Amino acid sequence: AQSVTQLDSHVSVSEGTPVLLRCNYSSSYSPSLFWYVQHPNKGLQLLLKYTSAATLVKGINGFEAEFKKSETSFHLTKPSAHMSDAAEYFCVVRGPGAGTALIFGKGTTLSVSS
Amino acid sequence: GAVVSQHPSRVICKSGTSVKIECRSLDFQATTMFWYRQFPKKSLMLMATSNEGSKATYEQGVEKDKFLINHASLTLSTLTVTSAHPEDSSFYICSASGRGTEAFFGQGTRLTVV
Repeated sequence: AQSVTQLDSHVSVSEGTPVLLRCNYSSSYSPSLFWYVQHPNKGLQLLLKYTSAATLVKGINGFEAEFKKSETSFHLTKPSAHMSDAAEYFCVVRGPGAGTALIFGKGTTLSVSS
Repeated sequence: GAVVSQHPSRVICKSGTSVKIECRSLDFQATTMFWYRQFPKKSLMLMATSNEGSKATYEQGVEKDKFLINHASLTLSTLTVTSAHPEDSSFYICSASGRGTEAFFGQGTRLTVV
């Protein structure tokens, strides 16, 4: 079975400072891992995905994540936060095969202050 | 990425009535579709997985007679909430998957039962 644990339910940063959203995963297989963002009353937007290629994955809007198998982690980072980054972020895992569902973490709310 | 269209985006219905939500993959064949439910300020909970032409597989605790899922074609799945009650009010999101590792999300449906 697959699962993800987002270690922080809420992260607050100042505009222009780095962002770190932490995620640990558990999987019996080599997982596919994703980060999604959801702005208030909006749908989900894919930020980036890891599918066993390069361990450092670059996504949209300056976000990136590094897959570390030894630590079973897939933390999301951004060098400099913008006000528009304030949203809910979900770490997501998926097992092998197209028929397996995406399993969501509980989410991390990112607040950005000016 | 591929496009998944979910309709309606918002619906208000009276208690005791049924509501149908459609999920369409517009430019790819979705062999598997997933239905999620999201409570306010909460994560997405997988409700069921459906494969084209087969009965849906429901997650534990999800009433299959209340949440009817049909996946009659490779581009359309429907979720019908039967005999809706106020506690069924929620944000429902579909996801469609073809042969790849990524699943694509609809924009969600906000259901309010009054």
